[in-house]
Amino acid sequence: DQQVKQNSPSLSVQEGRISILNCDYTNSMFDYFLWYKKYPAEGPTFLISISSIKDKNEDGRFTVFLNKSAKHLSLHIVPSQPGDSAVYFCAARLNRDDKIIFGKGTRLHILP
Amino acid sequence: DARVTQTPRHKVTEMGQEVTMRCQPILGHNTVFWYRQTMMQGLELLAYFRNRAPLDDSGMPKDRFSAEMPDATLATLKIQPSEPRDSAVYFCASGFRVRSYNEQFFGPGTRLTVL
Repeated sequence: DQQVKQNSPSLSVQEGRISILNCDYTNSMFDYFLWYKKYPAEGPTFLISISSIKDKNEDGRFTVFLNKSAKHLSLHIVPSQPGDSAVYFCAARLNRDDKIIFGKGTRLHILP
Repeated sequence: DARVTQTPRHKVTEMGQEVTMRCQPILGHNTVFWYRQTMMQGLELLAYFRNRAPLDDSGMPKDRFSAEMPDATLATLKIQPSEPRDSAVYFCASGFRVRSYNEQFFGPGTRLTVL
């Protein structure tokens, strides 16, 4: 029973265009949502987060949008760069717990 | 440059052998997590500790897996006996709860292959 779902295993985007990665969740008790980025042979690294009381958080080229009514969040990368090619994990924290529940990840390919 | 370290980076072993993976969390972090990454399941939480005390190991197969923190600078994950289905990348992560959220810092992982 996956509480955090990333339904697209992979995504290809032209360099310079917008990359949109999607994530759905089922548990309304999640209070924080996070995106992690992972390169091959490395551990995931934190990218950006959003509190459940907000609907948008922006950090440079990265913006996360949260739609609580739809239980959906998305990560926008604008403009996409070759170094953005990686696996992106959506994650959620359950009501101030220490645990974070991860989705299965989406592999993003930035095409030249 | 503080980072989580894990040893070994790669381990190939035969079914039935004991496997021990080690993790050194970032100094000062009070929570340590063990994850397993597989193609089918993505990143699964196996166990985590706060202030060296185990808080949740519900993600671990209890009969063969064990996790401990002998001291604040070392966390271990043991599999005995190992099975081919345990083949995966095992990540350790550490964190310190910030007021609003808990960011976790991951190690580079141990790639385990059980033949």
